[in-house]
Amino acid sequence: EAGVTQSPTHLIKTRGQQATLRCSPISGHTSVYWYQQALGLGLQFLLWYDEGEERNRGNFPPRFSGRQFPNYSSELNVNALELEDSALYLCASSLGGVGNQPQHFGDGTRLSIL
Amino acid sequence: SQQGEEDPQALSIQEGENATMNCSYKTSINNLQWYRQNSGRGLVHLILIRSNEREKHSGRLRVTLDTSKKSSSLLITASRAADTASYFCATDAGGSGNTGKLIFGQGTTLQVKP
Repeated sequence: EAGVTQSPTHLIKTRGQQATLRCSPISGHTSVYWYQQALGLGLQFLLWYDEGEERNRGNFPPRFSGRQFPNYSSELNVNALELEDSALYLCASSLGGVGNQPQHFGDGTRLSIL
Repeated sequence: SQQGEEDPQALSIQEGENATMNCSYKTSINNLQWYRQNSGRGLVHLILIRSNEREKHSGRLRVTLDTSKKSSSLLITASRAADTASYFCATDAGGSGNTGKLIFGQGTTLQVKP
């Protein structure tokens, strides 16, 4: 069974640009989660999508946005990039609709802002 | 906001020894999960323990949960060099409903020397 896949592996951008990160969940999983792992800040929850809808959002500015497609894959968009957006962005998936489900993570996209 | 605090922050042991990592959290939870992260890569899900469970085993891993003390421990028995990684505990936001959000501790860095 294929795990969560993320692309690209690395992304280099400059300040002010926009970045798009992609995630494909494990087959059968309808929930997708996004987390940011920045140096010194740990793993921070960004967004949760389930059945195409945004279900919850972490404490991040509106320039962090995303969507979930009918096939349950997801995109994270970061607009007006700032230096502090440099981080490893991790996507996870789980069976949707119920709690107490493990979240399974991909290998992440490392975003570097120059 | 940080929910989990891991202890110790770093642990160095010899191959074959046992490793114990502890996690404390602040609010009520529905479940607690342990993850492993190899350097710069994604998180690997290890174990999920529900709030009404006290102990779970998976291979060489043993997790305990004490909700009265708001703490959990992860024991790795007969450690191997391949166990070298960072280990994180993560709790859900607790309370009623499923927020999808995991709150991570800062992690314990484990080094197993061959």
